[in-house]
Amino acid sequence: SQKIEQNSEALNIQEGKTATLTCNYTNYSPAYLQWYRQDPGRGPVFLLLIRENEKEKRKERLKVTFDTTLKQSLFHITASQPADSATYLCALDVGGYQKVTFGIGTKLQVIP
Amino acid sequence: DTAVSQTPKYLVTQMGNDKSIKCEQNLGHDTMYWYKQDSKKFLKIMFSYNNKELIINETVPNRFSPKSPDKAHLNLHINSLELGDSAVYFCASSQGRGVYGYTFGSGTRLTVV
Repeated sequence: SQKIEQNSEALNIQEGKTATLTCNYTNYSPAYLQWYRQDPGRGPVFLLLIRENEKEKRKERLKVTFDTTLKQSLFHITASQPADSATYLCALDVGGYQKVTFGIGTKLQVIP
Repeated sequence: DTAVSQTPKYLVTQMGNDKSIKCEQNLGHDTMYWYKQDSKKFLKIMFSYNNKELIINETVPNRFSPKSPDKAHLNLHINSLELGDSAVYFCASSQGRGVYGYTFGSGTRLTVV
């Protein structure tokens, strides 16, 4: 069966360190993968998209990698800040027209 | 200016009632979606519309009926509400297939009692 797996447990990290979140998937061949941030009581906010033929994408303190052989994406936040505390969702374009499937998210807590 | 706005933000209703949630986007996007986020925070697609045409209907009970009067609006009507319908419903929009990401509304928390 098709699965998207993210660490559903919270990830606690000290301020200033690099946070690394993992998204693994099985039985998908996504054309692209997206990362979103969700704060409590709010809708997800789009952060980054990486295509299947791209290995790495950066935006300010964010970096995403995409390994289609390992079927894995890593999401890095460098120099993490308490304001980065949120749930981070990965989402795959799983084929079919305009359909994106979300993982359950990883809750990140940056401790001052 | 709110890009994707949903109303109401909270909805508490009794089992068996019929209710509607409205969604509007001012981004000029041609595709709109309804997602359901359950108590375990899993976000699952329900419907997708492109230029007012239904594209995706993901095994949703036919008590749920989306309506798109124009490409800026996508409403969700739910008949005969059940306890299991309690969740947060998110509207989203994108340009085409969403290669620039989806823009979500702030959600409607539906509680069926």
